[in-house]
Amino acid sequence: DADVTQTPRNRITKTGKRIMLECSQTKGHDRMYWYRQDPGLGLRLIYYSFDVKDINKGEISDGYSVSRQAQAKFSLSLESAIPNQTALYFCATSEGGSTAANQPQHFGDGTRLSIL
Amino acid sequence: AQKITQTQPGMFVQEKEAVTLDCTYDTSDQSYGLFWYKQPSSGEMIFLIYQGSYDEQNATEGRYSLNFQKARKSANLVISASQLGDSAMYFCAMRGLTGTASKLTFGTGTRLQVTL
Repeated sequence: DADVTQTPRNRITKTGKRIMLECSQTKGHDRMYWYRQDPGLGLRLIYYSFDVKDINKGEISDGYSVSRQAQAKFSLSLESAIPNQTALYFCATSEGGSTAANQPQHFGDGTRLSIL
Repeated sequence: AQKITQTQPGMFVQEKEAVTLDCTYDTSDQSYGLFWYKQPSSGEMIFLIYQGSYDEQNATEGRYSLNFQKARKSANLVISASQLGDSAMYFCAMRGLTGTASKLTFGTGTRLQVTL
């Protein structure tokens, strides 16, 4: 089983719909992240969370919200989806603690979201 | 602010040859970490190698090595003895190691194609 699991893997929906992408992890990591990937732009950070009570905006948080339901679960919501939110979305996790900054982030397999 | 530049949109290499993927960075942080990730056509992001800014030796992981030149602000990935399975997108990323900043800044990637 994957350490970082994203559901759904693929989703096609219509403009204006509310969408939730879910992420769960079995790595026991404190830190979780949501990124989006657009062609030619690399990955950009949407939100990140250092623990259940700590949630922070990334560089492109407008139009998105998140919920950290438990240490192992971090969900991303699009309140009213629009076509330019069509992208590949990744959840990632990393260790916390004193060595947190030099620990790699471990990514899920991604969710391909298409908004018509 | 941090910035990663990958100037090679695409590279070709023959099987069993070595290849260097370029990465330059810009940061005002004194302490930082550099990461390389591989993204196959299936879409997942796979962590390859890490280099800390104060590490005196270049990082190595199997066939991957990181040619770190701090004065030039470059962190090139070297893949030795290329294999067909190395065909993928490769992303360079960095993160500051001080304070609470946890954001990974990604480059736009290099697409590597390994040929027979």
